[in-house]
Amino acid sequence: DAGVTQSPTHLIKTRGQQVTLRCSPKSGHDTVSWYQQALGQGPQFIFQYYEEEERQRGNFPDRFSGHQFPNYSSELNVNALLLGDSALYLCASSAWGDEQFFGPGTRLTVL
Amino acid sequence: GIQVEQSPPDLILQEGANSTLRCNFSDSVNNLQWFHQNPWGQLINLFYIPSGTKQNGRLSATTVATERYSLLYISSSQTTDSGVYFCAVKRWIQGAQKLVFGQGTRLTINP
Repeated sequence: DAGVTQSPTHLIKTRGQQVTLRCSPKSGHDTVSWYQQALGQGPQFIFQYYEEEERQRGNFPDRFSGHQFPNYSSELNVNALLLGDSALYLCASSAWGDEQFFGPGTRLTVL
Repeated sequence: GIQVEQSPPDLILQEGANSTLRCNFSDSVNNLQWFHQNPWGQLINLFYIPSGTKQNGRLSATTVATERYSLLYISSSQTTDSGVYFCAVKRWIQGAQKLVFGQGTRLTINP
């Protein structure tokens, strides 16, 4: 049983560019949550998707957007990248309301 | 919003020692998870524990929800236990769940 997978593993972008990160949940999971982890900090909640809808959003600007597909996989899009967007982006999947399991993350560097 | 505080922030021990990590939270929660983050950034699930005590090998966790704290015990530490340990509390808000993380405890086990 494959766990949560994310792609790409690493990404380097320049300020002002746009990026798309992808996440495939564990088999049997229907909920995907995205988190941003800055260096030396705990992960911060970005948003959660269930039934292809954004269910809740953390304190992140509209430059951060997402999507969930019918197969429960998800994308995180970040527009107009800033230096401060450099972080590890983590995807977590769960059955609705249950324990969350995390993928290996995508490390984004903005130059 | 809810505050999650972990202590100590750093802990350095010799192999074979025991340790106790603490997580305090400022409001009632629906559940609590403990994670170990390895050097590559992967968050590994340790415990999903809203209350009571659970054990898994050398690790155990206790959550006292009425007093708003949780403890993670590691016995007979091994060098592979090194890394950052996070607790995260789950809150149901506006029909969705999110995890709120503490800042982590960095554990270093020396041979």
